[in-house]
Amino acid sequence: AQSVSQHNHHVILSEAASLELGCNYSYGGTVNLFWYVQYPGQHLQLLLKYFSGDPLVKGIKGFEAEFIKSKFSFNLRKPSVQWSDTAEYFCAVRANQAGTALIFGKGTTLSVSS
Amino acid sequence: EAGVTQSPTHLIKTRGQQATLRCSPISGHTSVYWYQQALGLGLQFLLWYDEGEERNRGNFPPRFSGRQFPNYSSELNVNALELEDSALYLCANDRYSGANVLTFGAGSRLTVL
Repeated sequence: AQSVSQHNHHVILSEAASLELGCNYSYGGTVNLFWYVQYPGQHLQLLLKYFSGDPLVKGIKGFEAEFIKSKFSFNLRKPSVQWSDTAEYFCAVRANQAGTALIFGKGTTLSVSS
Repeated sequence: EAGVTQSPTHLIKTRGQQATLRCSPISGHTSVYWYQQALGLGLQFLLWYDEGEERNRGNFPPRFSGRQFPNYSSELNVNALELEDSALYLCANDRYSGANVLTFGAGSRLTVL
């Protein structure tokens, strides 16, 4: 069964700082990878996804993530964070196999100070 | 279009009681997923229903059960409640089975006293 590990529990940054949130998964086969975000008081929503093709994927609000197959990683990045990026970020993986569900990491809380 | 709607928003129960949570999917969405979001544990997969059938189940005891109705709405039942069942329970849809892109509801906050 697949699993997801997010390295950082809580990240605190100042506005304009660069962001990188780590995500590693364990599964030997083909996977689909996601980052979801939960802003304070809002629903969980999709930030970006990787199914196949270019391993560098771009999402909403200037976020991007890079899939490195050899490292089983899918790290999230943003060159310059804003106060409005304060949220909880979840990495998720789904094995590309019928009958498997989307499995989430434990989440990383990002706090951005203005 | 209306999003995924869940009810009740908040529910307070005592140990040993039963809780029933409900989810109404986006029109046309046939798959329903249930997740438990407990403090510090992220989202843990509970159950997946599609076309009225249970497709997959997470690592939860049998007292967590559910069903999906012909209109694709779903119910999550938690029997013999324990204090550690206190959590936000999230329901999600994808547009068709295996589409992967989940749309989440606001959740039902269950508090067990």
